Amino acid sequence: QVQLQQWGAGLLKPSETLSLTCAVSGGSLSGYYGTWIRQPPGKGLEWIGEINQSGSTTYNPSLRSRVTISLDSSKKQFSLTLRSVTAADTAVYYCAREDSSSSRLDGMDVWGQGTTVTVSS
Amino acid sequence: SYELTQPPSVSVSPGQTASITCSGDGLGHKYVSWSQFKPGQSPVLVIHRDDQRPSGIPERFSGSNSGNTATLTISGTQAMDEADYYCQAWDTSIWVFGGGTKLTVL
Repeated sequence: QVQLQQWGAGLLKPSETLSLTCAVSGGSLSGYYGTWIRQPPGKGLEWIGEINQSGSTTYNPSLRSRVTISLDSSKKQFSLTLRSVTAADTAVYYCAREDSSSSRLDGMDVWGQGTTVTVSS
Repeated sequence: SYELTQPPSVSVSPGQTASITCSGDGLGHKYVSWSQFKPGQSPVLVIHRDDQRPSGIPERFSGSNSGNTATLTISGTQAMDEADYYCQAWDTSIWVFGGGTKLTVL
């Protein structure tokens, strides 16, 4: 059974950098997008961006200037970096996997457990 | 930017049918997925490609998509189905999510 396990710092100060990592177990990242999604308190989901097995990335335009998603294929891990955080970046962050051959028809088939990140001075 | 609209809440009695809608301009021309969110658990994909159930998802979950509205239907709703449900669709190089619907089984 494929699982995504994610981790990273949960409390940040304004202007700091958010860093989260997601590891795949019981399956592969090959042939999939590694995706990051977040949910601010009391709000809906926001897609942050994705990385494919070749390392090519696509980001939400609203966050593109501050986001980097990277891949370590050997470890079956992908990571999220969000720079210059503010209180507006407080959210539960999820990693997820999407089949890159599905032509955007199928959504994310496996999700991580979520990491609560709070930005506060 | 493209938007998907869901009702904030839906209530259903155990054993009855729950319907959760997701509306967007021309949504019927896109493919919709639905995911279930429960507190303390990893989200679960329950419907993809409008009406397909992933392996392991009970048959009581079904989906449809036509016109401007996609619908997630749960037949014979059980207490364990109480959760938040989100629709999503791909639009112009970005995944768009609905605002989510809290399903209450009472």
